[in-house]
Parts: sequence; C-alpha cells; structure tokens
Amino acid sequence: DGGITQSPKYLFRKEGQNVTLSCEQNLNHDAMYWYRQDPGQGLRLIYYSQIVNDFQKGDIAEGYSVSREKKESFPLTVTSAQKNPTAFYLCASSLSGQGNYGYTFGSGTRLTVV
Amino acid sequence: KQEVTQIPAALSVPEGENLVLNCSFTDSAIYNLQWFRQDPGKGLTSLLLIQSSQREQTSGRLNASLDKSSGRSTLYIAASQPGDSATYLCAATILTGGGNKLTFGTGTQLKVEL
Repeated sequence: DGGITQSPKYLFRKEGQNVTLSCEQNLNHDAMYWYRQDPGQGLRLIYYSQIVNDFQKGDIAEGYSVSREKKESFPLTVTSAQKNPTAFYLCASSLSGQGNYGYTFGSGTRLTVV
Repeated sequence: KQEVTQIPAALSVPEGENLVLNCSFTDSAIYNLQWFRQDPGKGLTSLLLIQSSQREQTSGRLNASLDKSSGRSTLYIAASQPGDSATYLCAATILTGGGNKLTFGTGTQLKVEL
C-alpha cells in the first residue's frame, strides 16, 4: 500500500542536541511538507519541497533544516537553535506543489526535550 | 494572508444525531478545501477534498459543501457514532509565488456519546 512513513514515533532530545526526523513516501509525489502541531494551535508549515534538490522555508523555519536528495525522502533536522522544539511533527506529500491536489499525511513524530 | 477559522472548537452530541461542523476562510481565491480527521496522538486522515469548482463532495455518512463567495465550508455528519469522536480539521489550499500553500484551522473536537 502506498503511503507516508514517519519515524521514529517518539523521540527524546537533550538540550543542545540535534535530532533528525525521517519521512519517506512511496506515492511518487513530487511535493513534500513538514508541519509542526502544538496544543490549541493549527498546523504550522516549517519547510516544503516541490522537487528533488529544492526546498523553501515555511512560516516557522528558524532552528530547522531539511534536505531533499531523493524524491521519496524529506528528512527534518531539529537543531539546537530551535528554542522550543517539543511538539508533534507531521510530514505530508502532494502529487505536485503547483496544482489542484490534496495532501496525504504521515502518522507523526512526537518530539520531547528532556 | 489566508486565515481559516473553525466553529465550534468543541462539540458533544448523543449517538445518532446529525451534526454540522463549520469552516470559514478569508481569501476566496482557493484551489481546494480539504477536511481531515485526527485521532489523539495520530496523524491526519483525509476525509473529503472539494475542488474550487465544486459545490460539494460526499463519502458515506459525510458530506462537505463549499461556498467560495461567502468563504465557508461545512462538514455534515449523518447518524453520528461513537467512532466518529475525533478532531476534525479543515484546510484551504491557495497558490503562492512559492507553490501551493495549505492553511489549517484549529479544528473542532467532536465527542459522540452513547
């Protein structure tokens, strides 16, 4: 079955540590997205990529970095510069970033700073 | 800037009741509007996608309508069941200079009681 796989499901980070969240899709979608979800707030866009080797900052990119070396993969690194990283992170994909298409989401990674 | 609002924030109904969830958006130049379901601690499951040229979409007991001119969408759930308990999110897609952008509402938390 096609879909989006996020790993790990739970992740714990120590202060000053960088961590990387994995997102893999087998839907043959060109566009991929990272969102952050906090209690009581809507989903906020961190980074997105419309094609391989290209990505753009979203609304809250500070303290995060991404890469898009393969069409199937869009990993997100939460750096030590991100002051409040505890949140639920969701990865999504769409057939294209330039058309009238719906989004498919993964099951999320919950990141906690310890 | 597109803003999406969902009312009510929370709703509790007895099993079997028909109900309506509301979503409003400020920028009528949308590509589409998508309704999602989110169970606690889980990712988003797409329920219905309404293209900007459409007025409604139906899937089983769910019916979503779209009125672009008034900036509103509704999700109608017929004969509600306890299994429908979840948070329902609407999201509007607009085209920006950097590609599609999906803006989410903060959701309606639904509880269907026996």
